[in-house]
Amino acid sequence: DAKTTQPTSMDCAEGRAANLPCNHSTISGNEYVYWYRQIHSQGPQYIIHGLKNNETNEMASLIITEDRKSSTLILPHATLRDTAVYYCIVRVYSGSARQLTFGSGTQLTVLP
Amino acid sequence: KAGVTQTPRYLIKTRGQQVTLSCSPISGHRSVSWYQQTPGQGLQFLFEYFSETQRNKGNFPGRFSGRQFSNSRSEMNVSTLELGDSALYLCASSLEAGGTEAFFGQGTRLTVV
Repeated sequence: DAKTTQPTSMDCAEGRAANLPCNHSTISGNEYVYWYRQIHSQGPQYIIHGLKNNETNEMASLIITEDRKSSTLILPHATLRDTAVYYCIVRVYSGSARQLTFGSGTQLTVLP
Repeated sequence: KAGVTQTPRYLIKTRGQQVTLSCSPISGHRSVSWYQQTPGQGLQFLFEYFSETQRNKGNFPGRFSGRQFSNSRSEMNVSTLELGDSALYLCASSLEAGGTEAFFGQGTRLTVV
């Protein structure tokens, strides 16, 4: 699975958009980009995933560059409850003997 | 529908003892994966079970083992506990083996003293 690089930490003002970048320059054609987040002392929560088109759901939007070497997770109106560690994971969609590999993630702190 | 349930939520054990943790996946999910989370190592994959068979295993010693029952519930066991086994143990369920849309439980916080 391709390696990802994320900033260690970011701050965002409450009510503003939070834009979390992820670099995955070695991504393969059949690998998807997944985002999870982990609020303190809870299990990780799936947010969104995409292959090459931009994706949006009720939680967030995912923008993947045309060359697929980087992506951005957008939380359109961040709230204090969005303070969490955000993990960007690159992996094939499914496959036995494959697991989710979590890196260090980005600690997002939403400030009042 | 009910989420992933892990029991117990907290556990304190003594070095050398053994411990069994339980995970009930989301109804209909047949894959259960286990992860260990520590401040120093982050989230590390332990193993995955699908249809009562271990499908994938991480780089952990043999003291860590697991099993899955016919109703997809899973248990993991750690024998001869060491202080370094103190961690948050997380279980995730998904529909298929190696599934990427995984749903995690709240975890079991194990403290070894």
